[in-house]
Amino acid sequence: NAGVMQNPRHLVRRRGQEARLRCSPMKGHSHVYWYRQLPEEGLKFMVYLQKENIIDESGMPKERFSAEFPKEGPSILRIQQVVRGDSAAYFCASSPTGGAREKLFFGSGTQLSVL
Amino acid sequence: RKEVEQDPGPFNVPEGATVAFNCTYSNSASQSFFWYRQDCRKEPKLLMSVYSSGNEDGRFTAQLNRASQYISLLIRDSKLSDSATYLCVVMNAGNMLTFGGGTRLMVKP
Repeated sequence: NAGVMQNPRHLVRRRGQEARLRCSPMKGHSHVYWYRQLPEEGLKFMVYLQKENIIDESGMPKERFSAEFPKEGPSILRIQQVVRGDSAAYFCASSPTGGAREKLFFGSGTQLSVL
Repeated sequence: RKEVEQDPGPFNVPEGATVAFNCTYSNSASQSFFWYRQDCRKEPKLLMSVYSSGNEDGRFTAQLNRASQYISLLIRDSKLSDSATYLCVVMNAGNMLTFGGGTRLMVKP
């Protein structure tokens, strides 16, 4: 049973380009969470999604960032017109039902570097 | 005030030492508590859940004090492989995890 899969592992973009980060949750998991970790900082919640629904996007910047989790395929975190401050590690986690006390399983992350 | 606060360290200890990390959280309605371990910018991995009654897993003991909103992790007989960043994590309503900034541990030979 494969774990949470994120790709690409490393992504390099120039300022102004778009970044697309993909996350395939564990088999049977329908809840996905995205976290961002800036250099020398802790993980910060960005967005929580279920299939075809955004449940909580309170941690997502209002501009340039969007996320989706379609009925088929991986969850996508999209960053438009990237800036240097977007350079960070982006981690995705999944859980089966989103219930309280449920453990989250993390992917290996995507390291985004903006030149 | 941060929602979950930890001393960033680093804690430098010799092999075999006992070391304790503390964490405080501000949301009294928090429901679940965890310690995660993170190595060198890799993904966080669940170390253990934390219960009010205290729980132990080998050399690791976690404790929760709801009245003081305080969580602790004790590591006995430290190994070189314990060197990592330890993240205090709180789960609130809506199943969101809030991470502390982490405490860095360096175990030296």
